[in-house]
Amino acid sequence: EVQLLESGGGLIQPGGSLRLSCAVSGLTFSRYAMSWVRQPPGKGLEWVSSISETGSATYYADSVKGRFTISRDNSRNTLYLQINSLRAEDTAMYYCAKEKIRLDDWGQGTLVTVSS
Amino acid sequence: QSALTQPASVSGSLGQSITISCTGTSSDVGGFNYVSWYQHHPDKAPKLIIHDVSNRPSGVSDRFSGSKSGNTASLTISGLQAEDDAEYYCSSYTSSSTVVFGGGTKVTVV
Repeated sequence: EVQLLESGGGLIQPGGSLRLSCAVSGLTFSRYAMSWVRQPPGKGLEWVSSISETGSATYYADSVKGRFTISRDNSRNTLYLQINSLRAEDTAMYYCAKEKIRLDDWGQGTLVTVSS
Repeated sequence: QSALTQPASVSGSLGQSITISCTGTSSDVGGFNYVSWYQHHPDKAPKLIIHDVSNRPSGVSDRFSGSKSGNTASLTISGLQAEDDAEYYCSSYTSSSTVVFGGGTKVTVV
């Protein structure tokens, strides 16, 4: 059974930084592209970023480009999202998901709240 | 990267069929056969129900079907059941090698 488990969320002040992690099990992690998707409270899903199988290619939504960095450690079966210069509008549930174009497995999410 | 356009809400009776539209541009929906649909119940992880416009993942009910015409994709749910009451999102690959979601459609089963 494929499992994705996000962690690292919490309450952070504006301007702060955070690193989210997603531990993946039940599949050969290095064979799949991976993605982050977020959902602000009361709003819809927003694609944030994706990374290729080897990590050589990364993709970002315009809204996060320059502030967010996606990475992965295939030896640890773990996906990361480094979030810098946090803003109130970054408050959201952050989900990691398998693949890029068709997100066929999702984690339960980790909540990031940006507030002073 | 403008969000794809979906109706905010659609309702239907048990056993009825409904269709949700998802309108984009030639740079996303119209340009690629990479439209996906997701079902999202509150406090649960989203679930992929359609990929590549009209393909159902293993285990997804055949009551869900997808199609596309020009810049508009559609999801049809036939034989509405109580458990279909959820939020539905479309997404598409784009010419910028990114992904864009629709704003979501709340399906209410009455």
